[in-house]
Amino acid sequence: DAMVIQNPRYQVTQFGKPVTLSCSQTLNHNVMYWYQQKSSQAPKLLFHYYDKDFNNEADTPDNFQSRRPNTSFCFLDIRSPGLGDAAMYLCATSRDNVGSYEQYFGPGTRLTVT
Amino acid sequence: AQSVAQPEDQVNVAEGNPLTVKCTYSVSGNPYLFWYVQYPNRGLQFLLKYITGDNLVKGSYGFEAEFNKSQTSFHLKKPSALVSDSALYFCAVRDSDRGSTLGRLYFGRGTQLTVWP
Repeated sequence: DAMVIQNPRYQVTQFGKPVTLSCSQTLNHNVMYWYQQKSSQAPKLLFHYYDKDFNNEADTPDNFQSRRPNTSFCFLDIRSPGLGDAAMYLCATSRDNVGSYEQYFGPGTRLTVT
Repeated sequence: AQSVAQPEDQVNVAEGNPLTVKCTYSVSGNPYLFWYVQYPNRGLQFLLKYITGDNLVKGSYGFEAEFNKSQTSFHLKKPSALVSDSALYFCAVRDSDRGSTLGRLYFGRGTQLTVWP
């Protein structure tokens, strides 16, 4: 089945230690998104790729970076995690064609910062 | 500016009774509207969408939603609730004008639905 896959599902890192979260998709969607979600709040968009074009949200800290080496993969890099970065990180994809704008989400990676 | 309001943090309903989860929206152009459900420690799962056409849209697991342009609402409904419907529900909107938003969804803060036996 076509899907959005996130690895790992659970990640523990130390304060200040760089961490990378990965997302892959078999849907061949042209848009990929990274969201941060804290304790049953609405997902907060960090950035997204429209094809190869990177779009950063204005309030996303510089501590968060992203890479999309090809259509199928996208990475979230947190350069120096702080305690406040502990959250669920959700990857999503969409085709963004007329009539097909819904986003498909992966299961998420829960990040713990010790 | 685009925004979504879900006025109820929690909705409680007995199994077998109808349920409604409310959503109102604000966009500058025509709205594209979505409902998602999230179970604990999982990602969001797409339920249904309104893009154009019939105001009543049907989605997964027996859910439906009615688009009301005059009231700028898109309430989620189900005729008979199940205990397994208990989850966190998010309404989202996207402006049909793709210009500057590039597909960005604006989410409501979520409504926790609890269906008791």
